[in-house]
Amino acid sequence: GDSVTQMEGPVTLSEEAFLTINCTYTATGYPSLFWYVQYPGEGLQLLLKATKADDKGSNKGFEATYRKETTSFHLEKGSVQVSDSAVYFCALSDRGGSNYKLTFGKGTLLTVNP
Amino acid sequence: SAVISQKPSRDICQRGTSLTIQCQVDSQVTMMFWYRQQPGQSLTLIATANQGSEATYESGFVIDKFPISRPNLTFSTLTVSNMSPEDSSIYLCSVSGLMNTGELFFGEGSRLTVL
Repeated sequence: GDSVTQMEGPVTLSEEAFLTINCTYTATGYPSLFWYVQYPGEGLQLLLKATKADDKGSNKGFEATYRKETTSFHLEKGSVQVSDSAVYFCALSDRGGSNYKLTFGKGTLLTVNP
Repeated sequence: SAVISQKPSRDICQRGTSLTIQCQVDSQVTMMFWYRQQPGQSLTLIATANQGSEATYESGFVIDKFPISRPNLTFSTLTVSNMSPEDSSIYLCSVSGLMNTGELFFGEGSRLTVL
């Protein structure tokens, strides 16, 4: 079945540091890929997405590129801020048929210190 | 995007009791999904709820434990029955986006603590 493997946290960075959170996936079809973010005390929010190979999703300074050859969708940001402290989830949705079920990774807790 | 409201936002419950979580969406949607997020864990899909039909449960989840109602295109409820401490989790309602890309929009979740 489908699966998502995420870099284990927690990750602690200083403000303005470079961030990479690794994500690899296994899927039978051609999935769409997502990064969701969960700020403290809040629900999940879609951060960015990519629907086909070589697509780059971006939002709020975060980027991730859909790499079919390496089955990866790593999240990056060039300069993190304290407000980026949150849990980040990588997820995939297999586009076969009308299946909207998302498969999530275990999440990576990011803490950014001033 | 859709605006999703869940009630209650949090509750503390006694072992053996049941609690119903409500999910209201600001637009009509075909499919609604219920997820569980156990402490320190990722999200696990409980069931998919379509209006006018029985909910479809994922492996490991049964209707007797998690009955779901879907009376119309904007509302659903999830009941957690005969609760035990292992049911302490965040329960999230979600709906799919308009575009067929598989993305979901989530409510803020209902945090249940079972004593």
